[in-house]
Amino acid sequence: DQQVKQNSPSLSVQEGRISILNCDYTNSMFDYFLWYKKYPAEGPTFLISISSIKDKNEDGRFTVFLNKSAKHLSLHIVPSQPGDSAVYFCAASGSEKLVFGKGTKLTVNP
Amino acid sequence: GAVVSQHPSWVICKSGTSVKIECRSLDFQATTMFWYRQFPKQSLMLMATSNEGSKATYEQGVEKDKFLINHASLTLSTLTVTSAHPEDSSFYICSARPLRNTGELFFGEGSRLTVL
Repeated sequence: DQQVKQNSPSLSVQEGRISILNCDYTNSMFDYFLWYKKYPAEGPTFLISISSIKDKNEDGRFTVFLNKSAKHLSLHIVPSQPGDSAVYFCAASGSEKLVFGKGTKLTVNP
Repeated sequence: GAVVSQHPSWVICKSGTSVKIECRSLDFQATTMFWYRQFPKQSLMLMATSNEGSKATYEQGVEKDKFLINHASLTLSTLTVTSAHPEDSSFYICSARPLRNTGELFFGEGSRLTVL
């Protein structure tokens, strides 16, 4: 049973445009959500997080939106840059464990 | 930011040997560290939760005797793959949760294990 789902395995956008990465979850006990970025053969690096008491968190070019009623969150990157090309993992936490989605591979074309 | 270091980053070993991977939090203390395994084109699979000074908690389907985890101090956890086989070849990643729990985890760079 996949509690965190990233239904798009890949996404391709043009440099300068907006990238929108989506994530759905099923467990209403999750109260903290995070996005990680991962390059091949490297560990994930933390990007941005959001608590369930908020619906938006912004950090530079990255904004995370949370819709609790829909159990949906999204990561917006604007403007997208070629260096943003990586796999993005959505993760959710309700206890001490993090549950990860399968990731979305983002390709930003120059 | 908080730094977590894994060593070695690459290791190649013969089938039947044991390999130890270290995970260190360099500038913070962590009572809890997590070990993950990443298969190609798949998400990170949590293998076990490592708590300082106590036995690790393994996820269902992970062999405790195969993947030995030791969390000897607040800054070091080790994963030993015992009697490694080619199917153990994978990318192993650790993460650490700081004592001041903000919900955030900090990840190591990962260790690529290849068993011949």
